[in-house]
Amino acid sequence: AQKITQTQPGMFVQEKEAVTLDCTYDTSDQSYGLFWYKQPSSGEMIFLIYQGSYDEQNATEGRYSLNFQKARKSANLVISASQLGDSAMYFCAMSSLTMNRDDKIIFGKGTRLHILP
Amino acid sequence: DTAVSQTPKYLVTQMGNDKSIKCEQNLGHDTMYWYKQDSKKFLKIMFSYNNKELIINETVPNRFSPKSPDKAHLNLHINSLELGDSAVYFCASSPTSGSSYEQYFGPGTRLTVT
Repeated sequence: AQKITQTQPGMFVQEKEAVTLDCTYDTSDQSYGLFWYKQPSSGEMIFLIYQGSYDEQNATEGRYSLNFQKARKSANLVISASQLGDSAMYFCAMSSLTMNRDDKIIFGKGTRLHILP
Repeated sequence: DTAVSQTPKYLVTQMGNDKSIKCEQNLGHDTMYWYKQDSKKFLKIMFSYNNKELIINETVPNRFSPKSPDKAHLNLHINSLELGDSAVYFCASSPTSGSSYEQYFGPGTRLTVT
């Protein structure tokens, strides 16, 4: 069975510093995808970044990068130059890529990030 | 311009009532989902539909019945509401079935059962 683990329930980081949110996963699938979502206090779920298990390079999207270490089964999110608006709940997620219609995304329990001015 | 919309945004009701939440997406996606986010923020899939066909049905009580009249709409009807149904319900869509593509979420419906 697939499992996502986020071990940091909460983090406090000074504005402008880089922050790393940890995510480890467990799966027996050879092909899978990893996602990060942001949920601000307003409640919406915002897609941030995606990494495929066969992608050789780490994914990057602006200030977000995904530090993918396949052997360690980790997919940490790195936010560079943090901003006050980055304060939110962050969810790591994964899915199988069997291309079956019943592939589904499973989510970790989230990490609440607080950016301090 | 809203990609995935849900109504209502807030829903307060008493135990035993029946209520519906509506979801619409204007992205042309084939697949739509319902998720439940509990008070501890844990997000779990409930259902998925692909072109009006039910694909994923997790272990959800029979009181929850999704309906997809067309691929742009996925509604959730809940019968005999219970206190434990209080949660935020998110609708989402993706351009194809399977989860290799990002899912676009609606704003959520906060359901409170008293």
